[in-house]
Amino acid sequence: GAGVSQSPSNKVTEKGKDVELRCDPISGHTALYWYRQSLGQGLEFLIYFQGNSAPDKSGLPSDRFSAERTGGSVSTLTIQRTQQEDSAVYLCASSIPGRMNTEAFFGQGTRLTVV
Amino acid sequence: DAKTTQPPSMDCAEGRAANLPCNHSTISGNEYVYWYRQIHSQGPQYIIHGLKNNETNEMASLIITEDRKSSTLILPHATLRDTAVYYCIPKTGNQFYFGTGTSLTVIP
Repeated sequence: GAGVSQSPSNKVTEKGKDVELRCDPISGHTALYWYRQSLGQGLEFLIYFQGNSAPDKSGLPSDRFSAERTGGSVSTLTIQRTQQEDSAVYLCASSIPGRMNTEAFFGQGTRLTVV
Repeated sequence: DAKTTQPPSMDCAEGRAANLPCNHSTISGNEYVYWYRQIHSQGPQYIIHGLKNNETNEMASLIITEDRKSSTLILPHATLRDTAVYYCIPKTGNQFYFGTGTSLTVIP
């Protein structure tokens, strides 16, 4: 596809369950970001991947959160033992490799609701 | 990363120019200024970015002051579809730090 694709678009899960959120970046983009946005709030940085470098995990809020990027393309954000405060829209973005000052393109997000 | 100050909300009449200010007085010499917007329930959309010189593209113009302590995003002919939250983001390194932005309402 032409843009960043995220799935599922909506996810409702019970408290305590694990969830996986998927991001397909734009083809050829090796930089990938995860953000989350709670209701009525701004975007909160979670994690950043660039090529084969170690990811910048400085934004992950707890050890229940982890992310992988397989083969330098698709990324999965995993939340273990979900809590109600994890309810938010999780946004993925990608950008062109090798250029620091370039724009990032965002997907439409996954809306996670923990009940 | 530089802190930013944006007005929390603004109104603009449809068809008129929307001028959205941003103060980034602590910006460093190698930090670009990016502007994004987020229309309700959608992912952020890139608008424009610049370092020192003014920039223009099909969406907007970006005016950066000579001392780089502030910038203004200009939507030359605002439409109802431009109603969104606009974020000014000085960026260096890996992350885009989104603040609270300006909620722009375009009024018919």
